[in-house]
Amino acid sequence: KQEVTQIPAALSVPEGENLVLNCSFTDSAIYNLQWFRQDPGKGLTSLLLIQSSQREQTSGRLNASLDKSSGRSTLYIAASQPGDSATYLCAVWDDKIIFGKGTRLHILP
Amino acid sequence: EPEVTQTPSHQVTQMGQEVILRCVPISNHLYFYWYRQILGQKVEFLVSFYNNEISEKSEIFDDQFSVERPDGSNFTLKIRSTKLEDSAMYFCASSTTRRTGNQPQHFGDGTRLSIL
Repeated sequence: KQEVTQIPAALSVPEGENLVLNCSFTDSAIYNLQWFRQDPGKGLTSLLLIQSSQREQTSGRLNASLDKSSGRSTLYIAASQPGDSATYLCAVWDDKIIFGKGTRLHILP
Repeated sequence: EPEVTQTPSHQVTQMGQEVILRCVPISNHLYFYWYRQILGQKVEFLVSFYNNEISEKSEIFDDQFSVERPDGSNFTLKIRSTKLEDSAMYFCASSTTRRTGNQPQHFGDGTRLSIL
């Protein structure tokens, strides 16, 4: 049974720092992996989608990597800003889409 | 940018009552999904819908739940006889490709369902 884990559960960093969020999954037979952002009381905003054949995807200050063999993905955020404060969710697609519980990120001004 | 819209934003219902949650997916999308998120817990997949039929459903999606695309724009989730444990945030999503494809799912802002 696929399990998705995100560590840490919460993270506070000063504005301007680069940071890495981690996602691990137990079954490497996935079709793709998607990173989302969730603001309080809001829906999920898709950030990056990495297909199983890809190693990374980039969008602006965000870079997501995927290592299927080790069951890991990272989301790298460069030059963090207070507006980046949100919960970041990782989701893997195998037979169905399985979400992690998220990392709550707080960027300190 | 086109977006998925959900109504109402908050629904309060007595236990045992029927409730219908509504979604308008992005217009050129073909695959539609419902998820739920119980407070403090993970987002959970409920059902996917394509070509006017359910393509996949989770064990949560039992006989109390049904989905429908009554016209060319709306996608609804009906809970026939609500229970206290149905209280959650319900998200609708849509995409142009299946889960195996290369296009992301786009989510609405959700409907908060509170069962009294």
